[in-house]
Amino acid sequence: DAKTTQPPSMDCAEGRAANLPCNHSTISGNEYVYWYRQIHSQGPQYIIHGLKNNETNEMASLIITEDRKSSTLILPHATLRDTAVYYCIVRSITSGSQGNLIFGKGTKLSVKP
Amino acid sequence: KAGVTQTPRYLIKTRGQQVTLSCSPISGHRSVSWYQQTPGQGLQFLFEYFSETQRNKGNFPGRFSGRQFSNSRSEMNVSTLELGDSALYLCASSRGQGAIGELFFGEGSRLTVL
Repeated sequence: DAKTTQPPSMDCAEGRAANLPCNHSTISGNEYVYWYRQIHSQGPQYIIHGLKNNETNEMASLIITEDRKSSTLILPHATLRDTAVYYCIVRSITSGSQGNLIFGKGTKLSVKP
Repeated sequence: KAGVTQTPRYLIKTRGQQVTLSCSPISGHRSVSWYQQTPGQGLQFLFEYFSETQRNKGNFPGRFSGRQFSNSRSEMNVSTLELGDSALYLCASSRGQGAIGELFFGEGSRLTVL
């Protein structure tokens, strides 16, 4: 089972920031938080990952709480093309495997004009 | 550089048949993973290959198998197809070295079993 909890759906106005929450209260010290998104009928796309510090890249920012039990993915200026299902995933860095991700049901983000 | 390529993109089979799907990873990537996506179960991990060896396997019956070739290309096979095998089959590649790494997914092969 997925080790994360996400709201099933969220709406966001175009041009505004989209803040997608994720709860991972059972995360352990050697587990990273990853975010992927899946636009309809396409393969999932990597967005960002982090361990305990906040991270930012050209797509998004990842804010992880100090206790690491939850995180928020921020899309600073959402566009219609950001409409997708967003998956929050935790995985161990000691698994010795890069390919085994456990996807939950994700959050369906709808960006509206 | 070229992304992950999956073939065929769409295919229709009947119950009892078998199917082989192909995946060409990004150049230089040595790990290939396979996922099944259905409306009911979502994205589920099938197996992962690295350097021609299966490194991880998900909870699927033995009808689902795979292999990886020396050039890192991978195939997965489903034998004795069932209606419930209708799904989008996604392949993902990664460097495979170490445990930290993003996966790059292909567009998938959509299988319909009649």
